[in-house]
Amino acid sequence: GAGVSQSPSNKVTEKGKDVELRCDPISGHTALYWYRQRLGQGLEFLIYFQGNSAPDKSGLPSDRFSAERTGESVSTLTIQRTQQEDSAVYLCASSSPGLAVDTQYFGPGTRLTVL
Amino acid sequence: AQTVTQSQPEMSVQEAETVTLSCTYDTSESDYYLFWYKQPPSRQMILVIRQEAYKQQNATENRFSVNFQKAAKSFSLKISDSQLGDAAMYFCAYRRAYNAGNMLTFGGGTRLMVKP
Repeated sequence: GAGVSQSPSNKVTEKGKDVELRCDPISGHTALYWYRQRLGQGLEFLIYFQGNSAPDKSGLPSDRFSAERTGESVSTLTIQRTQQEDSAVYLCASSSPGLAVDTQYFGPGTRLTVL
Repeated sequence: AQTVTQSQPEMSVQEAETVTLSCTYDTSESDYYLFWYKQPPSRQMILVIRQEAYKQQNATENRFSVNFQKAAKSFSLKISDSQLGDAAMYFCAYRRAYNAGNMLTFGGGTRLMVKP
């Protein structure tokens, strides 16, 4: 059906507040990724979910960042006690790793601005 | 750790002309995949082309083709007959070939401007 969707499209928050970002992957895609894109830069990997396996959290920049995914559905990325340095576009991607070269399909991202 | 470098922050091309975007990468692995993604102002990352490292033949997708030089660890993108809609940020990306660590490692991007 539809592609990867993310909400909200834009989020403005005050320093110190918590935020939740949501990602709806493509139906049937077992793998889900979160990336961060700071202004004018490339994407940085944050976290990776594959089916029911333990997630790869090696890219999370601090313990203020966490993410959850229930089964093969929606994922939420939570940033606690936001800092101005967290301002960025957060992109989600999903893929179907059963294919020989699984392609990651990206959502439109959430632009987070921390004042 | 793998790194991806795009040495051209900005490139400009005349409509209908050809432009080449450069990408180099560093890895100790022999098997991997390389990608070019396009990111227009809408922020949506769109896959342009991909290359498996074990294939010697360069990938081609319509007006887009790559020059993959494995020994030199170079992966450039050629856009032929450039169109106004090609204007965007272009990112080169690397991925390991095996299940462990399927994340993409991205370069810093090249902004392509197309002049009418």
